[in-house]
Amino acid sequence: ENVLTQSPGTLSLSPGERATLSCRASQSVSSTYLAWYQHKPGQAPRLLIYGISSRATGIPDRFSGSGSGTDFTLTISRLEPEDFAVYYCQQYGSPPLTFGGGTKVEIK
Amino acid sequence: EVQLVESGGGLVQPGGSLRLSCAASGFTFSSYVMNWVRQAPGKGLEWISYIDLTSSTIYFADSVKGRFTISRDNAKNSLYLQMNSLRDEDTAVYYCARDHGKTTPYWYFDLWGRGTLVTVSS
Repeated sequence: ENVLTQSPGTLSLSPGERATLSCRASQSVSSTYLAWYQHKPGQAPRLLIYGISSRATGIPDRFSGSGSGTDFTLTISRLEPEDFAVYYCQQYGSPPLTFGGGTKVEIK
Repeated sequence: EVQLVESGGGLVQPGGSLRLSCAASGFTFSSYVMNWVRQAPGKGLEWISYIDLTSSTIYFADSVKGRFTISRDNAKNSLYLQMNSLRDEDTAVYYCARDHGKTTPYWYFDLWGRGTLVTVSS
């Protein structure tokens, strides 16, 4: 199983700041099979990024994904108030598909 | 509105059973493969089951294999998860999730429900 480790566990930032979230895989992720989700309490998770860097429908361009192999990054260029949430990475290159433990982006 | 709505969660004793439902609306449910994903308290997300369009291909995570059954009724736009022999560690919020792919899975999920809480406790 490809274990995904996200860091930091919590990121305390102010609106307007840049957020950089890390996702490290225990094995190389096949092809470009990595996605990112946003999750707010009591709401449905939302797909942000798939294929490492492709934005899902309706996702603003302040969200970007990058990386390869075992190291991946989600960047939020300028935090908006609605961006404070928990973010999860997911690999789908090798079964079973797995998720990271999440990074909480909170208001400083 | 395009949405998924889960129901059927609740409190159940260890060894008991529960059936979850997921009602789809706003899109052609029969054209999408579907999944269940869960999140235990304080933990990350865990994929647990997949079903294709015609229910002919089904997968389970090892953690639930042999205890859970997945099914769908395309005429009713509904997905189901039958959970038997429940354990304390099955306590979680259960989400249904639509695969981005239609006839074949892409294995990432572009539509989720808000989830339903299952608590296994005596």
